[in-house]
Amino acid sequence: RKEVEQDPGPFNVPEGATVAFNCTYSNSASQSFFWYRQDCRKEPKLLMSVYSSGNEDGRFTAQLNRASQYISLLIRDSKLSDSATYLCVVGVFTGGFKTIFGAGTRLFVKA
Amino acid sequence: DAGVTQSPTHLIKTRGQQVTLRCSPISGHKSVSWYQQVLGQGPQFIFQYYEKEERGRGNFPDRFSARQFPNYSSELNVNALLLGDSALYLCASSLVLAKNIQYFGAGTRLSVL
Repeated sequence: RKEVEQDPGPFNVPEGATVAFNCTYSNSASQSFFWYRQDCRKEPKLLMSVYSSGNEDGRFTAQLNRASQYISLLIRDSKLSDSATYLCVVGVFTGGFKTIFGAGTRLFVKA
Repeated sequence: DAGVTQSPTHLIKTRGQQVTLRCSPISGHKSVSWYQQVLGQGPQFIFQYYEKEERGRGNFPDRFSARQFPNYSSELNVNALLLGDSALYLCASSLVLAKNIQYFGAGTRLSVL
């Protein structure tokens, strides 16, 4: 089983749609959680940190459920510019520190 | 302020050769991490360095090594290159280890022929 698993995608949605991405992680010692965005042939960029209390940044909402080891990202009112790969990221400290990325979910937003 | 800078941008090597990749973190950042990303996959964690000490290591063979210098820049070395080492190598810096919000450089694209 992969340490961080994401919806395989791709997701194809029209402009204005609401889209939800799901992610699960296997290590209960995980301590930090993020969503990154990666455009084609570019480096990953932080989208937002994820907390148990949930956090919102404009059209984006992220949620963490530690009991279920589940992370989500909701994008409302999708824009063409939201087309990218969304990476779920987990930080784990078990003697040493590791940062684990999911394989990513590709999103295509179409006019 | 400059972001994370990596050099070289592209590199072509042959099997069995050795390669050194370089990374300069954002000014004030003391932690540097290295990742390998192959097409269609998320970045795979190789190493994390903080205050010049290795603080984390991923599941990569001993052919991969790294170090961090007093100015917090870092080098990743890969010996005895294999075809499967062809990938985008990403460097990320963060302010402090625990916080771990990482900022990535544009990467070095390595092709092994």
